[in-house]
Amino acid sequence: SQQGEEDPQALSIQEGENATMNCSYKTSINNLQWYRQNSGRGLVHLILIRSNEREKHSGRLRVTLDTSKKSSSLLITASRAADTASYFCATVTKGNQFYFGTGTSLTVIP
Amino acid sequence: DAGVTQSPTHLIKTRGQHVTLRCSPISGHKSVSWYQQVLGQGPQFIFQYYEKEERGRGNFPDRFSARQFPNYSSELNVNALLLGDSALYLCASTGGGQGLQETQYFGPGTRLLVL
Repeated sequence: SQQGEEDPQALSIQEGENATMNCSYKTSINNLQWYRQNSGRGLVHLILIRSNEREKHSGRLRVTLDTSKKSSSLLITASRAADTASYFCATVTKGNQFYFGTGTSLTVIP
Repeated sequence: DAGVTQSPTHLIKTRGQHVTLRCSPISGHKSVSWYQQVLGQGPQFIFQYYEKEERGRGNFPDRFSARQFPNYSSELNVNALLLGDSALYLCASTGGGQGLQETQYFGPGTRLLVL
């Protein structure tokens, strides 16, 4: 099974609202990355957080990492219709294995 | 600057055939990774190559193989195709020597349909 599990599987919000997605994983990691995918095409990197970091920001994105709970969250503030996409967390282990989560499908309604 | 490019964009094969997918990394990037994404699921890691050497391998059968060329481009080969190999195949490149530990830049993918 994949390393990461995300919830919710699907999320629908109004434009301007905040969206929060959660990712849980199973084994120790070196870092955790979040990616966005539009319409089943290539993935776009959003943010990378290392295992010794607890929080990172990038524009409207805020990522937290709790290694004791093996979980991470991605917060998108003031969402826009263009944020509609699937969002994946990905964990990189010390053994150089790379695991994507199951993904959250976000729909932002204009 | 050109991003990661992949060819072909779409491909239809029949069971038992062989397929070769190609990837060119971002100029200056020396690491290439391959992923399989079945419809409705997250991508699964297949291989990582750095400086023409395999640095990581996911849980895929030996029917899957890859190589990296001196110009850092890469090929993914799949033999004896099965229906279950139908998927979007993604290639990603990274700029430094840390490979999977770094930000990966993905290509648009090759969509393979096995009939």
